[in-house]
Amino acid sequence: GAGVSQTPSNKVTEKGKYVELRCDPISGHTALYWYRQSLGQGPEFLIYFQGTGAADDSGLPNDRFFAVRPEGSVSTLKIQRTERGDSAVYLCASSLTTGGPGQYFGAGTRLSVL
Amino acid sequence: QKEVEQNSGPLSVPEGAIASLNCTYSDRGSQSFFWYRQYSGKSPELIMSIYSNGDKEDGRFTAQLNKASQYVSLLIRDSQPSDSATYLCAVWGVNSSNTGKLIFGQGTTLQVKP
Repeated sequence: GAGVSQTPSNKVTEKGKYVELRCDPISGHTALYWYRQSLGQGPEFLIYFQGTGAADDSGLPNDRFFAVRPEGSVSTLKIQRTERGDSAVYLCASSLTTGGPGQYFGAGTRLSVL
Repeated sequence: QKEVEQNSGPLSVPEGAIASLNCTYSDRGSQSFFWYRQYSGKSPELIMSIYSNGDKEDGRFTAQLNKASQYVSLLIRDSQPSDSATYLCAVWGVNSSNTGKLIFGQGTTLQVKP
């Protein structure tokens, strides 16, 4: 596609529920990243995929968070037993290669946990 | 000490003036540096990248890098009201070579007054 696509754009859920956030990167981009951005802060790294494998998941806050990219293109970020503190904008980015000229972001998914 | 530090602002400049945005980083081995612009409620947009010491110009934007001082800046000449946004500094560190992790500052809010 022309840009990084994220769905849904907004997600409201109740505490304790399970959510899935989807990211469709720029066509041909092999590297895919998930970040989380809280109000007034810069994006915070969560996980990075090179192809199908998670090359670095050191930013995932705990084991309630998990992400997959089974075919090396679309990725899904999964959050189990959501907590109010998970409320944030979840951003996905992609780049042509690791360490390439820059990462290009999607519009994000605003997650609200009530 | 935060890995990437920016003054949160707001930085207010009159239309037509030069806006100077500053960023310092702690990882002396950092290799690549990026400036992103983020309008309120929107995703970060890559506007400049710089990899070596000195200045890099692109239109009204100039990025400056001084690795010895661990300092990177963004100058915006002839500032326009449409430049009003949050500017995020992002750093690709030596530990990121295999991980793809960008470290972001908290961003500086720029207000350009007509």
